This record gives sequence, C-alpha cells and structure tokens, in this order.
Amino acid sequence: KQEVTQIPAALSVPEGENLVLNCSFTDSAIYNLQWFRQDPGKGLTSLLLIQSSQREQTSGRLNASLDKSSGRSTLYIAASQPGDSATYLCAVSSVDNTDKLIFGTGTRLQVFP
Amino acid sequence: NAGVTQTPKFQVLKTGQSMTLQCAQDMNHEYMSWYRQDPGMGLRLIHYSVGAGITDQGEVPNGYNVSRSTTEDFPLRLLSAAPSQTSVYFCASSYLQRGAGDEQFFGPGTRLTVL
Repeated sequence: KQEVTQIPAALSVPEGENLVLNCSFTDSAIYNLQWFRQDPGKGLTSLLLIQSSQREQTSGRLNASLDKSSGRSTLYIAASQPGDSATYLCAVSSVDNTDKLIFGTGTRLQVFP
Repeated sequence: NAGVTQTPKFQVLKTGQSMTLQCAQDMNHEYMSWYRQDPGMGLRLIHYSVGAGITDQGEVPNGYNVSRSTTEDFPLRLLSAAPSQTSVYFCASSYLQRGAGDEQFFGPGTRLTVL
C-alpha cells in the first residue's frame, strides 16, 4: 500500500532563506507526483506536477525534483517571503491506478519578516 | 470560469440527520472526486467519478453516497450523519487523460460538524 510522508511537519524560517521541503513515498511505481499549497481555511492550489519520467519541474521561485527509484521528492523554495507561509502537500498517483491520489500530511511553513 | 464551487461553506448537523454537499465545475472536466481532510491524517479519497454515470469508491467510502448525472455536478450525500464524519470536505476535478494523474483543481471546501 502506497504511503506518503512529509518531513518536517512544521518549519519556521526568516524571510529570504532558501528552503527545502521533503516528500517520500513507499512504492516507486508512481505515475506522477504533485505539489500543492493550502492556505488556512482554503482549498488546495496545484503548484507543480512532475511526471514519473521527469527529474524536475520549475515555476518561478519553486523547483520540485523527483527521484523515483529512491522514493523521494523535494520542493525547493528560493528567497522565501512571508506570502509563502502556508501548508505544502505532496501527492502521488500510482501506475496501476491513476484514478487515485495519495496525499502526505503536509509541511506547515511560516516565513517571518 | 468559476472553477470548482462547493456549497455550503459551513454546516452543523445532528447525529442521524442527512444532507448533501454540492460540488460543481465549469471546466468540462471528466474526472471529479471527493476528499475529507482530518488533522494528522491528510486528505483521504471518499469517492470519485470518471464521467457522467460512472462512480467508484475511494479509501473511505462508508457512510457516503455519490451520483454523477451530469458532467458538471458531483454531489456527496450523507444519509445518516455520525460524529466521525466531522471534517472538512473538498471536491476536486481534472481532465480525464490521466485521471487523478492530471492537474487537480480543488474547491474551497465545506466544513462539517456533526454533534
């Protein structure tokens, strides 16, 4: 059974720092991996989607990498800003069932001025 | 486009009551799904649909029913609410090319409390 873990559960950093959020999954037979952002009391917003054949995806100050064989993905946030404060979730879909997403429990990020 | 909309935003029920959570999307997405989000447990898939007339169970389907009569709407029904169903419910949609493997668009959520 696929399990997705995110470490750390919470992170507090000063503005301007570069930071890395981690996501690991137990079954490497994934179809793709997605990173989402969730603001308090709000829904999820898709940030990046990495296909299993890709190594990384970039959007602005965000860069997500994927190492399928080791079951790991990282989300790199450059020059963090207070507006980046949110919970970040990763989710995977499996090769044998692309109809379902398995989510991690998220990393709650706070960037203080 | 309004994207994915959910109503109501908040709801309080008593044990045993029934209700329907509404979800609609205007992006002509074939794939729609319902999740619940609980502290420390992440999002868990309740039911999903790959098109009108087709639904299937997710990870935690017990106590919930769904139907998909149109492409746009995917309501979630609680037939007899229980306190264990207190949660935040999210609806999501995407194109069908890769089902849940396509970019997912989420609604704002419904916060449900069952007393």
